[in-house]
Amino acid sequence: DVKVTQSSRYLVKRTGEKVFLECVQDMDHENMFWYRQDPGLGLRLIYFSYDVKMKEKGDIPEGYSVSREKKERFSLILESASTNQTSMYLCASSPWDPLITEAFFGQGTRLTVV
Amino acid sequence: AQTVTQSQPEMSVQEAETVTLSCTYDTSESDYYLFWYKQPPSRQMILVIRQEAYKQQNATENRFSVNFQKAAKSFSLKISDSQLGDAAMYFCAYRSARGTSGTYKYIFGTGTRLKVLA
Repeated sequence: DVKVTQSSRYLVKRTGEKVFLECVQDMDHENMFWYRQDPGLGLRLIYFSYDVKMKEKGDIPEGYSVSREKKERFSLILESASTNQTSMYLCASSPWDPLITEAFFGQGTRLTVV
Repeated sequence: AQTVTQSQPEMSVQEAETVTLSCTYDTSESDYYLFWYKQPPSRQMILVIRQEAYKQQNATENRFSVNFQKAAKSFSLKISDSQLGDAAMYFCAYRSARGTSGTYKYIFGTGTRLKVLA
C-alpha cells in the first residue's frame, strides 16, 4: 500500500513563527503536492513538485515556500505564519506511471496560528 | 484554466436509499481523468472511483457508479444502498492527462457533505 505520512496531525504555532510541514511518501512517486483545505473552498493547490528540486506554484502560493531535496520528502514552509494561514493542510503524491492516475493523500495537518 | 464545480454543499439520504452527487467541470482538453474522493471524519482522503475521459462506459465500483456526460462536462456520483459508513465529505476532482511540462495537477471542487440518516 502507498503510504503518505505527514509529520504532525495537529500543530499550534504563534504569529510570525517559521513553520515547517513535512510530508514523506514511500512509493517512489515523482509528483508531490501541497493543498490547503478550508470549509466551502475545497482543496486549493499551494505548490507541487514533479521531481527532486523542481517545483511549481499552484493557485495560492503567497506566504508559502516548498523544498524537495529528496524524492520521498516534500516540505511546506510558512516563512512567517499568520492567522489567515490557520487551515487543514493535505499532502499528496502520484507517479508518472500512466497506469496509476490517482493521487494518494496523507492524513492531513490541522494548523492553528495564534 | 480548468475548474470543477460542486453545487450541493450538503445532501442527506436515508439508509438503504440511493443518492446522486453532482459535479460539473470546465476544460478545453479532450484527454483527462475524473475522480470522486471520500473524506470521512478521520480526514483520510480515499479514492472512490475514477473515470478516463476517453472511455464512454461509465465506471462502477460496487455500490458506487458515475454518470459521465463528456459533452455536457458532467460527472455525477450515484451511491446505491447507502450505508452509515458512507457519511463523509465527497470531492470531485479533475486531472489533465499531461501538463505542458509533462506534469499535471489535480483540481478539486468545493465538496459535498453527505449525511446518512438511520
